[in-house]
Amino acid sequence: DTGVSQDPRHKITKRGQNVTFRCDPISEHNRLYWYRQTLGQGPEFLTYFQNEAQLEKSRLLSDRFSAERPKGSFSTLEIQRTEQGDSAMYLCASSLGRKLTETNYGYTFGSGTRLTVV
Amino acid sequence: QKEVEQDPGPLSVPEGAIVSLNCTYSNSAFQYFMWYRQYSRKGPELLMYTYSSGNKEDGRFTAQVDKSSKYISLFIRDSQPSDSATYLCAMSGTGGFKTIFGAGTRLFVKA
Repeated sequence: DTGVSQDPRHKITKRGQNVTFRCDPISEHNRLYWYRQTLGQGPEFLTYFQNEAQLEKSRLLSDRFSAERPKGSFSTLEIQRTEQGDSAMYLCASSLGRKLTETNYGYTFGSGTRLTVV
Repeated sequence: QKEVEQDPGPLSVPEGAIVSLNCTYSNSAFQYFMWYRQYSRKGPELLMYTYSSGNKEDGRFTAQVDKSSKYISLFIRDSQPSDSATYLCAMSGTGGFKTIFGAGTRLFVKA
């Protein structure tokens, strides 16, 4: 296992187009997170999965954003009708938590997908 | 006001210097405190993890948490040019799966 893998690394799209990103977490990790990071800022939480269940979504995740994690393995993040304000680095992370209430002991992040909307 | 405040820097030091990086926070529910290192065009990498107040040391790195002051620090001893990166503080509450990050401090270590 080589860690958290994200695809593509870079995506340039025209405003109004739909884009989809993929994340493959560390295989034994049951928790998966999506964060967004803009230049000069720290990562901002978007959403979280415990296995296949999406347990929390940030208010940052507008109706144009949707995330899935079928079968609790890889995850996809789709942005519909992209806007220039969506340009950012989209980071996926995973961690291991055996119980729902077990505390997070830190994430393993992927290298991110850099989205540019022109 | 942001939940986590971190001076963005940049901070420039000579090789061998002791570096001090700091964050303040406002949410007293935070119990778990982390430091991540992020190189350009890469995802953050977990460096240190601390629960509640106290100190934790790992090689050249020492993390300190003062919950009474809502203040956390990361010290880097004998800094190296390879330590040049952005350092992000991060924290979460008990049972919390959502981690809140600071904006990051850019550090440059000059050879």
